[in-house]
Amino acid sequence: GAGVSQTPSNKVTEKGKYVELRCDPISGHTALYWYRQSLGQGPEFLIYFQGTGAADDSGLPNDRFFAVRPEGSVSTLKIQRTERGDSAVYLCASSLTQAGDTQYFGPGTRLTVL
Amino acid sequence: AQSVTQPDIHITVSEGASLELRCNYSYGATPYLFWYVQSPGQGLQLLLKYFSGDTLVQGIKGFEAEFKRSQSSFNLRKPSVHWSDAAEYFCAVGKSHNTDKLIFGTGTRLQVFP
Repeated sequence: GAGVSQTPSNKVTEKGKYVELRCDPISGHTALYWYRQSLGQGPEFLIYFQGTGAADDSGLPNDRFFAVRPEGSVSTLKIQRTERGDSAVYLCASSLTQAGDTQYFGPGTRLTVL
Repeated sequence: AQSVTQPDIHITVSEGASLELRCNYSYGATPYLFWYVQSPGQGLQLLLKYFSGDTLVQGIKGFEAEFKRSQSSFNLRKPSVHWSDAAEYFCAVGKSHNTDKLIFGTGTRLQVFP
């Protein structure tokens, strides 16, 4: 079956602009996660949804970042007033429920802020 | 706080040689432990995971890992490396108190010489 998909695969924007990154989880997966991977680093947790609600947003770096999942499926990560330091690969993962279920990762969106 | 340490940033082995990638974690209770592999341009793929029970776990592609509570380690091993194993390997720990976010190490880059 289809895996986790993310669009766009690459996004180049200018400092100060607003961007939206989309994640389509595996069908039927209720848990959805966003991570950020900077060059030479491991993925860093941003936010976790269980259904439509954000169960843990402790990893969002500041209030320029927020994410939604209005119907419990597709999620959008939104970044306002982008900064050069936001440049990274943004990864989305989904899992069947929670409690240690395997997280399946998408290919990521590479964000470059000029 | 949970943390994961992968002491080796870069490892080089000859094809056919054995491999061990080190991972140490910090967590108060029995963690969920994972090894993921990331090939260039590819998403993260789960190799294996440990939740409980037998401390030696088998994964895909001929990999195995052993959970050693006394050493807080979860090292990844493979008896004979193939050129296609060249990739970045990440160890991760999960099962926080009320969230299933994964905490990743910084990764070990494996290079395989023919």
